[in-house]
Amino acid sequence: AQSVTQLDSHVSVSEGTPVLLRCNYSSSYSPSLFWYVQHPNKGLQLLLKYTSAATLVKGINGFEAEFKKSETSFHLTKPSAHMSDAAEYFCVVSDSRGGADGLTFGKGTHLIIQP
Amino acid sequence: DGGITQSPKYLFRKEGQNVTLSCEQNLNHDAMYWYRQDPGQGLRLIYYSQIVNDFQKGDIAEGYSVSREKKESFPLTVTSAQKNPTAFYLCASSIGEPSTDTQYFGPGTRLTVL
Repeated sequence: AQSVTQLDSHVSVSEGTPVLLRCNYSSSYSPSLFWYVQHPNKGLQLLLKYTSAATLVKGINGFEAEFKKSETSFHLTKPSAHMSDAAEYFCVVSDSRGGADGLTFGKGTHLIIQP
Repeated sequence: DGGITQSPKYLFRKEGQNVTLSCEQNLNHDAMYWYRQDPGQGLRLIYYSQIVNDFQKGDIAEGYSVSREKKESFPLTVTSAQKNPTAFYLCASSIGEPSTDTQYFGPGTRLTVL
């Protein structure tokens, strides 16, 4: 069985300061990992994904994440927060068996940007 | 513009009624999905379809039904057997294999039972 844990339900940062959203996973297989963002009352949009290529993955809007197998982590970072980054962020793990039932979504981290 | 559309945006249902949520995509994607989102929880898979005329149950299929008669369309019916249907429903699609392919999401339908 696989699982994903987003360690913080809420994160608050000031505009212009770094963002760190933490995600830990467990998987019996070689996982693929995703970060999605959801703005209020909208669908989800892919920020970035790791599928066994480079461990440092760059995404849209200045976000990046590093796959650390030894720590079973896939934390999302951004050097400087912008007001438009305020949203819900979901970490998703997918095992290599395939199929939509192999995807597990984290419960989400609500990112608050203080002016 | 290519994308996924869901309608209606808001839907109200009385107890004992069936309702159908629409999902249409013009991305030429083979795979389509329905998720349910409740406050403070991640998305949970209701049904998915990897090709036309075929679909599989997800984690919480009880009380829901789907059809996939056309590649572009994947409607979800919430039946009266679903005991707690009030939630935000998201439809998504992907080119193929969901374990590695990006999923593209619609804007969602918020269903409220009166």
